[in-house]
Amino acid sequence: DAMVIQNPRYQVTQFGKPVTLSCSQTLNHNVMYWYQQKSSQAPKLLFHYYDKDFNNEADTPDNFQSRRPNTSFCFLDIRSPGLGDAAMYLCATSSGVYTEAFFGQGTRLTVV
Amino acid sequence: SQQGEEDPQALSIQEGENATMNCSYKTSINNLQWYRQNSGRGLVHLILIRSNEREKHSGRLRVTLDTSKKSSSLLITASRAADTASYFCATANTGTASKLTFGTGTRLQVTL
Repeated sequence: DAMVIQNPRYQVTQFGKPVTLSCSQTLNHNVMYWYQQKSSQAPKLLFHYYDKDFNNEADTPDNFQSRRPNTSFCFLDIRSPGLGDAAMYLCATSSGVYTEAFFGQGTRLTVV
Repeated sequence: SQQGEEDPQALSIQEGENATMNCSYKTSINNLQWYRQNSGRGLVHLILIRSNEREKHSGRLRVTLDTSKKSSSLLITASRAADTASYFCATANTGTASKLTFGTGTRLQVTL
């Protein structure tokens, strides 16, 4: 019954080696969000989509890219992960920007 | 960037007591939402209050909103050990670039 699914749950990558995190949804929601959450901190918005309309936060590093090939799927690409990119990455969806968001279980990224 | 600040940062109470968490924010909002996060998991939506509402209830949860002070509070009555989690407020700002932005969170510990 999972509605927002993130794969994998745990990802270990090498310093500088590109990595892709994926998110899929069965809710047919227009809005998809990617958040970065470091230990004991609040989720920090990286970018969000309204349909195919991409919105990048001003302080999101260029190292982070995203793709949304269709309504159901969204990807987070980290081109050259650094040690500071180790975090939980959370995907969320909502039917509109003024409605509740549904979160996946997150992908915990470790950079070695 | 974080929209809101929450206090306290951490709260420890005994089962049966009430827990109150406060959230302040900076910009004009369409609504304010509260989420719960168990350790290492995704966030779960608890309640949404619109900018024209002052109070809302859901089970043991009571949320208030004061737009003149740009603040909100979440009250959990008759707390249980299972309420132990981090609680975050999130705001959906008005305007064309609306997005969901989280506050700093309160870590609640409920002991038996």
